[in-house]
Amino acid sequence: GENVEQHPSTLSVQEGDSAVIKCTYSDSASNYFPWYKQELGKGPQLIIDIRSNVGEKKDQRIAVTLNKTAKHFSLHITETQPEDSAVYFCAATEAAGNKLTFGGGTRVLVKP
Amino acid sequence: GAVVSQHPSRVICKSGTSVKIECRSLDFQATTMFWYRQFPKKSLMLMATSNEGSKATYEQGVEKDKFLINHASLTLSTLTVTSAHPEDSSFYICSAPSYEKLFFGSGTQLSVL
Repeated sequence: GENVEQHPSTLSVQEGDSAVIKCTYSDSASNYFPWYKQELGKGPQLIIDIRSNVGEKKDQRIAVTLNKTAKHFSLHITETQPEDSAVYFCAATEAAGNKLTFGGGTRVLVKP
Repeated sequence: GAVVSQHPSRVICKSGTSVKIECRSLDFQATTMFWYRQFPKKSLMLMATSNEGSKATYEQGVEKDKFLINHASLTLSTLTVTSAHPEDSSFYICSAPSYEKLFFGSGTQLSVL
């Protein structure tokens, strides 16, 4: 089955700096890679996703890159703000809308 | 995005009792829903896939008699934790697909005393 590794497990950045989270996956059949933000006591919220036919996708301060050959994908948050503080999860699946395999999560703290 | 509603948000029960958690897709229909479990400061682990009109598919190691899943309609799936014990205490989260994206409910914190 699919295995998703996520690094780092914790990330502390100064407000205004950038944050980068990296994930690797094992199953070459995976072709859909969403990212979720989870605040304490709440369910995960989809923030951005990318499919294998695209190398990069951007939505305002958030961008995701995918290297399918290396089985790597990354989340980039620019101009971080205190409200970006949360746990971020990457995930992978063979078919979009199907069950997801999650990475271990990254706890991001944005210091004002 | 699509809205998935989950209730209750928090439940405390005595050991040996059963607890039912509801998951509803509010503005779309879902023939499939997914139930995840999350321990404190850990990732989400898939428990089972709920299928409307048929039996749920459980992941390896998940006791189907302990975690009963019923997908009664195209907008409702329920998870019943039977004869709950303290080790069942956890955060349970449901999800449903809409337009090839997976949306999550707000989760249920179960505490078994």
